[in-house]
Amino acid sequence: VQLVESGGGVVQPGRSLRLSCEGSGFTFNTYGMDMYWVRQAPGKGLEWLAVISYDGNNKYYADSVKGRFAISRDNAKNTLYLEMNSLRVEDTAVYYCAKQGAYRNGPMNYHYNAMDVWGQGTTVTVSS
Amino acid sequence: SYELTQPPSVSVSPGQTARITCSGDTLEKKSAYWYQQKSGQAPVLVIHEDSKRPSGIPERFSGSTSGTRATLIISGAQVDDEGDYYCYSTDSSGHHGVFGGGTKLTVL
Repeated sequence: VQLVESGGGVVQPGRSLRLSCEGSGFTFNTYGMDMYWVRQAPGKGLEWLAVISYDGNNKYYADSVKGRFAISRDNAKNTLYLEMNSLRVEDTAVYYCAKQGAYRNGPMNYHYNAMDVWGQGTTVTVSS
Repeated sequence: SYELTQPPSVSVSPGQTARITCSGDTLEKKSAYWYQQKSGQAPVLVIHEDSKRPSGIPERFSGSTSGTRATLIISGAQVDDEGDYYCYSTDSSGHHGVFGGGTKLTVL
């Protein structure tokens, strides 16, 4: 199971950036495979940003990014996206994607409402 | 709003038991999850659904909950367990996640 983020870089305040996260080693578009974005500002803790359901029909955002960021997915490409608009200096962070947690117990598969596997992160720097 | 509160730091000697707490009203009804993050690395899940240990996580890691408090327990802590630990849960709807502020564990 692997998640690989890309698309980070240096961008000026007010501009836009799109992050991608390609998944492999698991069934990306199956029920229970919600996907997440989480970020970590330099020297700070983890901040939950957004989640999208396995079929893309349900999306939820943290108040800090609602209306500026948009989460989406292309299941045919096993890829998750984060479109970031009106970027601010305080959006500077390492951005991680993660998949919904799942495990097997005997013949049964279970999912839980949190992240299990994370990508390595991609760095976004917002600076003039 | 919903918040999870963790102590900023915990320090133990090798072989001792480390306990990291996480408090928040949402924990009364929602599960707690724990992540370990070592310097410069992505977080790793060590406990899910309050007390379940993912495959590959050493048995010395365990979790418990009581009311609005969750606890991560590392029995016989090792130097390799040093790092930042974050608790995680969701709001009452289950749709919005929240992390605790993180606890820096020192084992020396």
